[in-house]
Amino acid sequence: KQEVTQIPAALSVPEGENLVLNCSFTDSAIYNLQWFRQDPGKGLTSLLLIQSSQREQTSGRLNASLDKSSGRSTLYIAASQPGDSATYLCAVQYNTGNQFYFGTGTSLTVIP
Amino acid sequence: GAGVSQSPSNKVTEKGKDVELRCDPISGHTALYWYRQSLGQGLEFLIYFQGNSAPDKSGLPSDRFSAERTGGSVSTLTIQRTQQEDSAVYLCASSPYTSGPRGFFGPGTRLTVL
Repeated sequence: KQEVTQIPAALSVPEGENLVLNCSFTDSAIYNLQWFRQDPGKGLTSLLLIQSSQREQTSGRLNASLDKSSGRSTLYIAASQPGDSATYLCAVQYNTGNQFYFGTGTSLTVIP
Repeated sequence: GAGVSQSPSNKVTEKGKDVELRCDPISGHTALYWYRQSLGQGLEFLIYFQGNSAPDKSGLPSDRFSAERTGGSVSTLTIQRTQQEDSAVYLCASSPYTSGPRGFFGPGTRLTVL
């Protein structure tokens, strides 16, 4: 079974801090990896997509990196804001099969 | 609308009843996924549709669960004889590519089985 793990499960930081969320996966033969944001009671919003041939992607204050050999991805959030408070999920697609394999998420709280 | 829509947004039902959940994907997206998110747990894959191909049903937890996709667009997830453990948020996603990437997720249907 493909496993995707996210640590920490919860994180609380003061506004303005830089932070890193971690995602690890057991099988390095990935097709792509996505980071999603989920707000309470809402669906998922795709933040960044990294193809297997890429090492990182950036969007605004967000930077996601991918190290297939070690089975890890990180999401870096710069200068955190209260509006960044949400649950962040990483999801992996493999070269075989169709589904996304999701981690259990990191619940982020940014304190004003 | 521009995004994936799901209806109803909330559904409360009694144990043993059947329910139907609807997903309207983004127009033109060939791939459609159903996922389930139970309280305190990660997202669980249920079923995947791609164009006119036979769906990947490998994630359906029991034969009480079924899904169809009419005309390559709207999808309905049906749960028969609902059980309390079926209570969860059911999420639908669509994608313009044959095998991902970038799934666009709907807001979900919160199902509560009493």
